[in-house]
Amino acid sequence: EPEVTQTPSHQVTQMGQEVILRCVPISNHLYFYWYRQILGQKVEFLVSFYNNEISEKSEIFDDQFSVERPDGSNFTLKIRSTKLEDSAMYFCASSELGRPHEQYFGPGTRLTVT
Amino acid sequence: GQNIDQPTEMTATEGAIVQINCTYQTSGFNGLFWYQQHAGEAPTFLSYNVLDGLEEKGRFSSFLSRSKGYSYLLLKELQMKDSASYLCAVRDPQRGGSYIPTFGRGTSLIVHP
Repeated sequence: EPEVTQTPSHQVTQMGQEVILRCVPISNHLYFYWYRQILGQKVEFLVSFYNNEISEKSEIFDDQFSVERPDGSNFTLKIRSTKLEDSAMYFCASSELGRPHEQYFGPGTRLTVT
Repeated sequence: GQNIDQPTEMTATEGAIVQINCTYQTSGFNGLFWYQQHAGEAPTFLSYNVLDGLEEKGRFSSFLSRSKGYSYLLLKELQMKDSASYLCAVRDPQRGGSYIPTFGRGTSLIVHP
């Protein structure tokens, strides 16, 4: 069964460093998303991406964040200058054109900022 | 804004039926999701309700009453593997046609033998 994959599974970085989280959505899906979940808290929407551009973003997704689809398969989230409060699990998700409500989540990248 | 309320924790016995309730207050309503999340794992889509009524999908059913701002997830023939957090989420009415869920805190379900 096709699935969303994410790398790395765990990333440790120092405050102020840049990180890039990588995702490979399901191949025929056209909508892509990033969410984050701080330990013990709710899953929070960050950004959605469709047709090679951001379609929606939340208040969390400020100038420190960016997304890119550098090729036909990868979807990346970049945090330019990480802060301690960026420590969280970051989930990528995708959905297909005919079923946009059914998002498939990847296993997540646990980001630890020290 | 949106406010989603669900019980923090529930326990049930293997083989039994459990109903997880969710109430919401939103400035508009476009749809309601249920997701399952096992500890340390990603959310898994269970259901999406737009219209009032019950939708059944195998052992899981989801109910919606838009006039009451209320939904429930019904799990039948509980199995140990159903121990997980169940996340109620509403489709963000501020985001037009996007199917973006705003998640509640989730209900942690513990199934015991």
